[in-house]
Amino acid sequence: NAGVTQTPKFQVLKTGQSMTLQCAQDMNHNSMYWYRQDPGMGLRLIYYSASEGTTDKGEVPNGYNVSRLNKREFSLRLESAAPSQTSVYFCASSADGTGTDTQYFGPGTRLTVL
Amino acid sequence: AQSVTQPDIHITVSEGASLELRCNYSYGATPYLFWYVQSPGQGLQLLLKYFSGDTLVQGIKGFEAEFKRSQSSFNLRKPSVHWSDAAEYFCAAPNAGNNRKLIWGLGTSLAVNP
Repeated sequence: NAGVTQTPKFQVLKTGQSMTLQCAQDMNHNSMYWYRQDPGMGLRLIYYSASEGTTDKGEVPNGYNVSRLNKREFSLRLESAAPSQTSVYFCASSADGTGTDTQYFGPGTRLTVL
Repeated sequence: AQSVTQPDIHITVSEGASLELRCNYSYGATPYLFWYVQSPGQGLQLLLKYFSGDTLVQGIKGFEAEFKRSQSSFNLRKPSVHWSDAAEYFCAAPNAGNNRKLIWGLGTSLAVNP
């Protein structure tokens, strides 16, 4: 039982390049989330998927797109990376997606945009 | 607006000393409250959560937290800190407007001196 896995662990991009961050969970959870973490700013929600087939914007969705490929997988795409997107990205999942539910986090992807 | 505040950005304690990390929330009704921990280079892990009932909540790793409605607080405590407790600690609560989202505090970074 791996929990929540994320790939890659580290990535360096040049401004304007695109990439997709992958996330998968093996806990049969309905809901999945993408956060970014920046120094002094805590965790900010980018997008979430309450259930398979649905996605919704979080606090900071601009510059990102997501795909809930199936119940297990939730990817985050940067179409044209900008230095402001340098951050640590975390994927999380929860069983039913309510705010009272525990979220389980992946180990993170550290992204640098030059 | 609803908020979760962690007044202390950084705290340093000596190993074996007691610890209290502060969390204040702003919300009229009885909130659900969480404490998560992030060890260096890792994702977040749930320490404990409060829903209702007993205001003293026990968590993993010897942590506990007490909900005090009169002070709008949910402070995290540990009687004797271990070096491995050095980490970032986050307090969170469901967003009253959309309880699929969490409102996160900005975190408290804990350093432990040997």
